[in-house]
Amino acid sequence: GDSVTQMEGPVTLSEEAFLTINCTYTATGYPSLFWYVQYPGEGLQLLLKATKADDKGSNKGFEATYRKETTSFHLEKGSVQVSDSAVYFCALIHVDQGGSEKLVFGKGTKLTVNP
Amino acid sequence: EAGVAQSPRYKIIEKRQSVAFWCNPISGHATLYWYQQILGQGPKLLIQFQNNGVVDDSQLPKDRFSAERLKGVDSTLKIQPAKLEDSAVYLCASSLGIPGYEQYFGPGTRLTVT
Repeated sequence: GDSVTQMEGPVTLSEEAFLTINCTYTATGYPSLFWYVQYPGEGLQLLLKATKADDKGSNKGFEATYRKETTSFHLEKGSVQVSDSAVYFCALIHVDQGGSEKLVFGKGTKLTVNP
Repeated sequence: EAGVAQSPRYKIIEKRQSVAFWCNPISGHATLYWYQQILGQGPKLLIQFQNNGVVDDSQLPKDRFSAERLKGVDSTLKIQPAKLEDSAVYLCASSLGIPGYEQYFGPGTRLTVT
């Protein structure tokens, strides 16, 4: 079945460092891809998404490009801040034969940014 | 716009006891989801409702878990009897039900089974 693999954490960076969190997927067809973020004590929030190959999703300085050839959707940010400390989840939409949509998540990567 | 509400936020019970979680989705959202998030893993879908009908409950352990959405608005998820491995965060999410539309998540209920 469809699955998402993202890099193991935790990741610890200094403020203003460059961030990459790798994400690859296995799916039939071309699913929509997402990055969700979970700040401490809060629910999951959609960070960005891309719906087709070569699309670039971006939000709050984060970017990810849908790469069909490598089945990847890596998350990047040029300069992280302490406030970016959170757990980041890569996900895809699986559509079953009945047409219902189901989010399939990776295991999450915990990011800690130190001042 | 109010977000997805869940209660309680935390619950500690002993194994073999029962527990119930409540979710109130965003007003007007037809689709409601319950996810289980075990520590160190991503959320896993337990059940999906479209209005008050079940769309997908293939990963719901039906021998101990049940869920309902009687009036097509709020929903309850019940575990009876609980096992140690049910310790997790239970997330509720809602969506308009339009393909590709974003799912909005509540803050979750953290369940500890001792």
